[in-house]
Amino acid sequence: EVQLVESGGGLVQPGRSLRLSCTASGFTFGDYAMSWFRQAPGKGLEWVGFIRSKAYGGTTEYAASVKGRFTISRDDSKSIAYLQMNSLKTEDTAVYYCTRDLNAGYWGQGTLVTVSS
Amino acid sequence: DIVMTQTPLSLSVTPGQPASISCKSSQSLLHSDGKTYLYWYLQKPGQSPQLLIYEVSSRFSGVPDRFSGSGSGTDFTLKISRVEAEDVGVYYCMQGIHLPPTFGQGTKVEIK
Repeated sequence: EVQLVESGGGLVQPGRSLRLSCTASGFTFGDYAMSWFRQAPGKGLEWVGFIRSKAYGGTTEYAASVKGRFTISRDDSKSIAYLQMNSLKTEDTAVYYCTRDLNAGYWGQGTLVTVSS
Repeated sequence: DIVMTQTPLSLSVTPGQPASISCKSSQSLLHSDGKTYLYWYLQKPGQSPQLLIYEVSSRFSGVPDRFSGSGSGTDFTLKISRVEAEDVGVYYCMQGIHLPPTFGQGTKVEIK
């Protein structure tokens, strides 16, 4: 059974950093791209970025709203994807979800990030 | 970015009756590989989104056959043949042909 578990969310001040983790199980992690999405309170879904599998270069793509501030990485030996968030803004407040692949067939339960002073 | 427009934004349905949601994209979602990268998700209250339909009309694993997707190019439809109480939530379409993937605004479905 495919499982994705996000962790690392919490309350952080504007301008500070936070790292989210997505721990995967139930599939061969290294064979898949991993994506991050987010949902601000009461709002719709927004794609944040994704990382390709090593077979496709392990390269990353980001939404314009986070490019230059957020970095996605992966540790295939541990089946974990990371979302490093720097220079956080109040508008980054959201539930963050990781998904397997870009078509998002499998989602984690999400982790809440609140950016507030 | 590709703009995805859903209608209606809310829907109240009697159990057992059909429901239909439209999704229109600002550009064709037909890829040169022959696939059309249009997805439908349902987010039930308090839950993570779940994939219902991929590539316009293919049901994801475990999705009941009362859900069906159709369309081509820029116009797509999600149909529920007979709505059940467990189908309440917000339905989103998403395009995956061009980065960034973009979603429709969401259609909230409630039961009468």
